[in-house]
Order: sequence, then C-alpha cells, then structure tokens
Amino acid sequence: NAGVTQTPKFQVLKTGQSMTLQCAQDMNHEYMSWYRQDPGMGLRLIHYSVGAGITDQGEVPNGYNVSRSTTEDFPLRLLSAAPSQTSVYFCASSRGSAGQETQYFGPGTRLLVL
Amino acid sequence: AQSVSQHNHHVILSEAASLELGCNYSYGGTVNLFWYVQYPGQHLQLLLKYFSGDPLVKGIKGFEAEFIKSKFSFNLRKPSVQWSDTAEYFCAVTPWSGYSTLTFGKGTMLLVSP
Repeated sequence: NAGVTQTPKFQVLKTGQSMTLQCAQDMNHEYMSWYRQDPGMGLRLIHYSVGAGITDQGEVPNGYNVSRSTTEDFPLRLLSAAPSQTSVYFCASSRGSAGQETQYFGPGTRLLVL
Repeated sequence: AQSVSQHNHHVILSEAASLELGCNYSYGGTVNLFWYVQYPGQHLQLLLKYFSGDPLVKGIKGFEAEFIKSKFSFNLRKPSVQWSDTAEYFCAVTPWSGYSTLTFGKGTMLLVSP
C-alpha cells in the first residue's frame, strides 16, 4: 500500500492563479480531510469528506473548493490564490470518523503564493 | 466546539532528561484524544491515542500519556528522551460521536540536544 499520496510536493503560484492539490489513498478509507499547517497555528481543518459525493466545511474553508467523486481521490482546489494561502497542506484519510479511527497523513504539499 | 491548548511552544532538553508536554482541552462531552508527532521533514504520525478504558495509554517509542478527566488534560510523557525525539508534537481532540473531526493544538517543538 502506498498509503496517502499528495502531489505536487512543492508549488509556487502568483496571486490570482488557480491550482489543484491532489490527494489519493489506496486503503479504501471513507473519510478524507484537508488541513493546512502554519507556524504557531498547528493544523486547521479546511474541508472533509465522509464518503464519495459528500463533503463539508472545516474551520478555514474560504478560498478552497473540494469534491469527492471517488473513494480514492480528494482534490483541493484554490480558485484564486492569495498570499495568505501560503502554507503546508496535508491530506489525511481514515477508515471511519476521526472520532473513532486513526487518521493517516500524506507527506504534504508546500505552497508559496507570491 | 472543542479546543485544545498546548502549554509550551518550544521545549529544549538534554538527552536522558524526562519529558512532559502539557495538553488541555475544552469540550463538554466525551472525547477521544490523540498525540501526533511530526519529525523534521516528515508527515504526521500517530504517537498514541485514548478512546476509553485505562487512562494511562502507552504509545510508540516509549511515550505514554495520561488522561485526567477532571482536569481536561492529556499530558504526554517520556522518562528519558533521545536526540531522535526532536520533533514537533501535536495534541488533538475529537468528540466521541458521529461525524466528528479532529481539532489540533498549536504544537510543541521539542529540541533534544546530544
């Protein structure tokens, strides 16, 4: 099993550009989440999904869109990048709810918005 | 909504010193508690978790944590740290119910000097 994979590892964007951060898992997990990690802020939940076709907002959803068309994939879209979105983004998956199951994290995507 | 407070942002220890990292949470109901670790350049890994039962839980690499319900605390301990324990440590909490999501603390950066 590859676990949770994320692409790209690094990305530099200009303000206003759009891009999609990819996340995939091969563990047949129903739950997937996107977090951003900023210095001194810990990890904050952006969006999550409890299964294909079902998504919901987390703590900091503004500026981000998600969709979940398959169990395996959970892409995160930045429609118009802003410098405030400079961060490290982690995708996570779990067999069930985060309240009941261990979450497995991907290696992260480092994003710099100029 | 739940919240997590980690007492120290940075901790510096010498090898063989004992470690205790504080974590307090705020939530009115039953919770599940986690400690995650992020080694330099790596993604988050689960260190240990508490769901129910014995409030003293043991994790990987000699770490343990004690859940004290009356104090809303879940402190992480290790009797003797090693240089390889240098990492950032995150406490996380989730309500023990339904479609719950993880709320992370801001993290504690541990530096162990040889």
